[in-house]
Amino acid sequence: DADVTQTPRNRITKTGKRIMLECSQTKGHDRMYWYRQDPGLGLRLIYYSFDVKDINKGEISDGYSVSRQAQAKFSLSLESAIPNQTALYFCATSDGSTDTQYFGPGTRLTVL
Amino acid sequence: GIQVEQSPPDLILQEGANSTLRCNFSDSVNNLQWFHQNPWGQLINLFYIPSGTKQNGRLSATTVATERYSLLYISSSQTTDSGVYFCAVDLTGGFKTIFGAGTRLFVKA
Repeated sequence: DADVTQTPRNRITKTGKRIMLECSQTKGHDRMYWYRQDPGLGLRLIYYSFDVKDINKGEISDGYSVSRQAQAKFSLSLESAIPNQTALYFCATSDGSTDTQYFGPGTRLTVL
Repeated sequence: GIQVEQSPPDLILQEGANSTLRCNFSDSVNNLQWFHQNPWGQLINLFYIPSGTKQNGRLSATTVATERYSLLYISSSQTTDSGVYFCAVDLTGGFKTIFGAGTRLFVKA
């Protein structure tokens, strides 16, 4: 079984809709992250959380919100999706000692 | 802000060849990681290497933090090495992971 799972894996939605992407991990890590990847580019950090009560904005947080429901779960929401949020979204986890990051399989989101 | 530059942007190799990928960064960093994204999009951590040299099979990496660069060596390349290689750095004095734009590698059989 995968250590970091993301649901859904693919999603097509319309402008203005609210979307939630979910991430779960069984690695026991305290730290979790959400990134987006646009074609031909590296990843950009949206939000990160070092524990359940700690949420921080990353490089590109506008238009997104997150919820850390438990140590193992970290959700990303798009309150009102827009076409330029079409991208590949990755969740990642790390422990606090090395910060080596482990990635989920990604969610491909298309906003029409 | 910090700049993370990877070179070359694209690389085509014949199977069995060796290669060196480079990552330059413009500021002091707490750590540096190398990732491989396979053609199906999966990201795999290759090395966590804030300084020094590490080896894992046919891959090795060296980071010279004082000179602000890291190198990823791939020896005896295989078609399964194809994909995009990213370096990512965490800034000193605060958490913020910055990714480079990647090196796209294609290994021909």
